[in-house]
Amino acid sequence: KAGVTQTPRYLIKTRGQQVTLSCSPISGHRSVSWYQQTPGQGLQFLFEYFSETQRNKGNFPGRFSGRQFSNSRSEMNVSTLELGDSALYLCASSPFSGSIGELFFGEGSRLTVL
Amino acid sequence: DQQVKQNSPSLSVQEGRISILNCDYTNSMFDYFLWYKKYPAEGPTFLISISSIKDKNEDGRFTVFLNKSAKHLSLHIVPSQPGDSAVYFCAAAQGGSEKLVFGKGTKLTVNP
Repeated sequence: KAGVTQTPRYLIKTRGQQVTLSCSPISGHRSVSWYQQTPGQGLQFLFEYFSETQRNKGNFPGRFSGRQFSNSRSEMNVSTLELGDSALYLCASSPFSGSIGELFFGEGSRLTVL
Repeated sequence: DQQVKQNSPSLSVQEGRISILNCDYTNSMFDYFLWYKKYPAEGPTFLISISSIKDKNEDGRFTVFLNKSAKHLSLHIVPSQPGDSAVYFCAAAQGGSEKLVFGKGTKLTVNP
């Protein structure tokens, strides 16, 4: 069974640009969550999608958005990039929403903002 | 305000000995706790979890203890192996939510 796949794995952007990250969950998983990992703040929850609907949202500005498609694949977008957005963005999937935390993480997309 | 704290950024133990990783939380509404392990260049992988209705859960070499009155949990690894060297994250959830609140992690090094 293939794991969670995130693309691209690495990318470099400049301030003010926007970026789109993609996540393909494990086959059959319908819930996709996104987390941001930085050295200073650790892993922080961004949002969760289930059946194309946002179920939960973390404390991030509106520049961070996401969506989920009917095949459960998800994308997140960050607009007007700032230096502080440099981070590892992790996607995680689970079979259902509310499956209490046993999330399956991808390897992440490492974003560097210059 | 950090709701889940791992106060030891790093821990070093000898192979075969016990590793004890600690985690404290402040939100009494958390009712499910998890430990994840992360190797460099990989995503976190689920290790073990415990519900707030229990005080201990065991899975092979890994045991998690929960002390609700102290809002404290710990992960015991016995015996520790070099392959256990990784960053360990404590996480908490509330009400079956997918929204996990993570600690900042403890880097465990197991020396041969």
